Amino acid sequence: GAVVSQHPSRVICKSGTSVKIECRSLDFQATTMFWYRQFPKQSLMLMATSNEGSKATYEQGVEKDKFLINHASLTLSTLTVTSAHPEDSSFYICSAGRVDYGYTFGSGTRLTVV
Amino acid sequence: KQEVTQIPAALSVPEGENLVLNCSFTDSAIYNLQWFRQDPGKGLTSLLLIQSSQREQTSGRLNASLDKSSGRSTLYIAASQPGDSATYLCAHGSSNTGKLIFGQGTTLQVKP
Repeated sequence: GAVVSQHPSRVICKSGTSVKIECRSLDFQATTMFWYRQFPKQSLMLMATSNEGSKATYEQGVEKDKFLINHASLTLSTLTVTSAHPEDSSFYICSAGRVDYGYTFGSGTRLTVV
Repeated sequence: KQEVTQIPAALSVPEGENLVLNCSFTDSAIYNLQWFRQDPGKGLTSLLLIQSSQREQTSGRLNASLDKSSGRSTLYIAASQPGDSATYLCAHGSSNTGKLIFGQGTTLQVKP
C-alpha cells in the first residue's frame, strides 16, 4: 500500500524561530498533499491543500504567512511554521493520495514551542 | 455545511465483545467513506475504504458498511481485543473538493 513518511516526529523549538516539517510519499507520486492540525482529544483540522508546482490552498482562518507550504516535487511537501509561538504547539499530520483511492497519512509531528 | 458525526464519543467494553461504531454524514454526494485508527500521539492508519457504489468492506475482524441513502456507516469489530484500544475516525471524501471530512472520533477501550 501507499506509504507516507513524515519527519521529524517530535520537535522542540524556541519562541520566534521557524520549524520545517517534511512529508514524503515514498512509493507514489502525489500531486496533492494535505496538512492537518490536531489539538488534544480533538479530530483533525484541515489547514491547507498542497499542490505540486503551484501555490497551496489554505482553509479559512489559517494564516498563510505563518504556515508556509512548499510542494516542489511529486514526492515532497514541506510545512514551515514561521516565527513560532507557544500557541502553535500542536500535532501536525500530512496525508497524500486521491479521493478515489483513499488517503494515507504520515505519522505526525509533535511541535512544542517553548 | 458538511458534517460527520460519530457515536458514541467513547466506549469501554470487556475483551471478546463484538461492537459497532457509528458514523453519520450529511453530504449526500460523498465519493467514498474511509475508516481510520489513531493510537495516542500517532498518525492515522487506514482500516477500510468503501466506495460510494459499495455496501461494505471487510478486513479480518473488521467490517464496514455504507448506506449512502441514509447517510450512515458502521464499523463492526468482532471479538474485540485489548490491542483494538484506540480512537477510530470516519471520514468521507467530498465529490466536490476531494477533501476528507472527518468525524470527531470514537475512543475505544477494550479491557482484558
